[in-house]
Amino acid sequence: EPEVTQTPSHQVTQMGQEVILRCVPISNHLYFYWYRQILGQKVEFLVSFYNNEISEKSEIFDDQFSVERPDGSNFTLKIRSTKLEDSAMYFCASDGGTPRFGPGTRLLVL
Amino acid sequence: KNEVEQSPQNLTAQEGEFITINCSYSVGISALHWLQQHPGGGIVSLFMLSSGKKKHGRLIATINIQEKHSSLHITASHPRDSAVYICAVLKTSYDKVIFGPGTSLSVIP
Repeated sequence: EPEVTQTPSHQVTQMGQEVILRCVPISNHLYFYWYRQILGQKVEFLVSFYNNEISEKSEIFDDQFSVERPDGSNFTLKIRSTKLEDSAMYFCASDGGTPRFGPGTRLLVL
Repeated sequence: KNEVEQSPQNLTAQEGEFITINCSYSVGISALHWLQQHPGGGIVSLFMLSSGKKKHGRLIATINIQEKHSSLHITASHPRDSAVYICAVLKTSYDKVIFGPGTSLSVIP
C-alpha cells in the first residue's frame, strides 16, 4: 500500500537558519497538508495545498513559512529563519478521500 | 473556548472493556476525522465521518451533526489499543482542519 514519506526524520538546526522539510505524498492524491505538534501539545494545522496553491493557512503559518510542490511529486515546507519555538514534530498528509499521514520530521531548533 | 473538545482527557481501562471517547465541536464542519497517534508519534486515520456511523473491526464511530458531537467506541479493548485518539474537524467551506486535544488511552492487561 502506498505511503506518505517524509525526510529527514530528524533535523537539528541553529536558530535563524533555514530548514526545508520534504514530503512525498501519495501520487494520485490532490490535497496536501502540513501540521505540527509541539512536544506535549495537540496537533496544529499549518497549511493546506490544492491545485498547486495554498487553499487555507493558519495563524501560525506566517511569512517565515512557505510551501512548494517543485516537481510534481515532492511537497516541501520551508522555514526561512527558524526560532526556538519552531521546535516540533512536523507532519505532512495527503488526502485522496482518506487522509494519510507521513511519519513526521522532528525538528529541534537550538 | 476551544473549537474542538474531547473527553475524557485520559482514560485507563482493563483489557476487554468497552471504551467511549467523546468529541464535541462548536463550528460548522464538512467532515470529522478520528485519528490514532501511537507512542512513537505516528498518526493513522481511523475514520472520516460526515454523518451517521462507521464500523471497522472493533472500532465504531458515530456523529450527530445537529448536536455537534461524535463518539469513538472500542469494543473488547486490548493493550495494543493504547494510544492517543484525536478528533479533528474539517471546517465548512474551508480546507482548514482543527484538532482536538486528544484522549490518551491506556489499556491494561
